[in-house]
Amino acid sequence: AQKITQTQPGMFVQEKEAVTLDCTYDTSDPSYGLFWYKQPSSGEMIFLIYQGSYDQQNATEGRYSLNFQKARKSANLVISASQLGDSAMYFCAMSLRGSARQLTFGSGTQLTVLP
Amino acid sequence: GAVVSQHPSRVICKSGTSVKIECRSLDFQATTMFWYRQFPKKSLMLMATSNEGSKATYEQGVEKDKFLINHASLTLSTLTVTSAHPEDSSFYICSARAVGVPNTGELFFGEGSRLTVL
Repeated sequence: AQKITQTQPGMFVQEKEAVTLDCTYDTSDPSYGLFWYKQPSSGEMIFLIYQGSYDQQNATEGRYSLNFQKARKSANLVISASQLGDSAMYFCAMSLRGSARQLTFGSGTQLTVLP
Repeated sequence: GAVVSQHPSRVICKSGTSVKIECRSLDFQATTMFWYRQFPKKSLMLMATSNEGSKATYEQGVEKDKFLINHASLTLSTLTVTSAHPEDSSFYICSARAVGVPNTGELFFGEGSRLTVL
């Protein structure tokens, strides 16, 4: 069975600075996908970034990048130039490529951006 | 990307009544949809996998008779909470698989439905 671990329940960052949110995963399946979602207080799950296990390069989407270290089984999210609107809960998740794509979620990190 | 719409966004009901939540894929066909439940300050837990034209696959510990799932078409899955009780109060959110959308993992979420049972 797969498992996702987020060890930072809460993080603070100063506006305009970069922040790294940690995520480690565990699976014996060689084919998987890693996701990051942002969940504001409204509850919707906003897709941020995706990394496939066979992707050679780290995924990037605007101010978001995923630091994928396969040997260490880590998939940290880096947010550059933090904005006040980035304050939210962030979830790391994984799906197995061979499955129907059910997601297993980490426990989340509450990010607060300080002015 | 692909758009998934969920309705209603909020619902309040009396204990003992049933509530139906709809999940629609607006611009793609979804043979597979997923239903998750989220308690306050907690993570999302998969409840069931909904497959078009067949019975849903429920996760361990999820009562099939309590949470009825119907995936009658390629764009609609419904979750019915039957005989709701206060402990069923939660945030329910669906996701759908959109095959072929690049760099997304092919999974898209609805806006979620907040159920409060009085």
